[in-house]
Amino acid sequence: SQTIHQWPATLVQPVGSPLSLECTVEGTSNPNLYWYRQAAGRGLQLLFYSVGIGQISSEVPQNLSASRPQDRQFILSSKKLLLSDSGFYLCAWSAGRYYEQYFGPGTRLTVT
Amino acid sequence: GQQLNQSPQSMFIQEGEDVSMNCTSSSIFNTWLWYKQDPGEGPVLLIALYKAGELTSNGRLTAQFGITRKDSFLNISASIPSDVGIYFCAGPSGSQGNLIFGKGTKLSVKP
Repeated sequence: SQTIHQWPATLVQPVGSPLSLECTVEGTSNPNLYWYRQAAGRGLQLLFYSVGIGQISSEVPQNLSASRPQDRQFILSSKKLLLSDSGFYLCAWSAGRYYEQYFGPGTRLTVT
Repeated sequence: GQQLNQSPQSMFIQEGEDVSMNCTSSSIFNTWLWYKQDPGEGPVLLIALYKAGELTSNGRLTAQFGITRKDSFLNISASIPSDVGIYFCAGPSGSQGNLIFGKGTKLSVKP
């Protein structure tokens, strides 16, 4: 069966510091991968998606970037965090030709 | 652009009551998905619908794909405290398998 992992679970970072959040999927090959941000427990905002290694599409221009160095690994980064980057970050995967997306447990980021 | 409107935004119910919520789209969908999110966790897929008029159940949950293909409904029968959470509807957005999500219906149960 497929599983999706995210780490860290929680993170407190000062403004201006770098960020790296990691997401890995097990039990499937060539998944579509997604990064979402959720503010205040409502509303999922799609940040990035990837249909293959090295292929990244950005939905919202912002202070963040994403990379997919391996088939089942998706990384969300920032060089300098802003207060507005605080939120709940969710990674998800889908099997490509199907719309069903399966979410990881999330990372709670607080920028101070 | 596409929009999904979920209704109601929040609701309080007595344990044992039935719950109904819905989602409407500004465009036609060929797939409707319903998710539940517990506090501090990622959303979990509850039900997927693929055909207009389709009625699908998952335990006490039943979801329907509206005939117009612009709406979907989720019903929860005999609610219990663990039904608390936020329920999201979602549908296809674009050709890359992306989804658009509603803003959610927050369900709170009075024990």
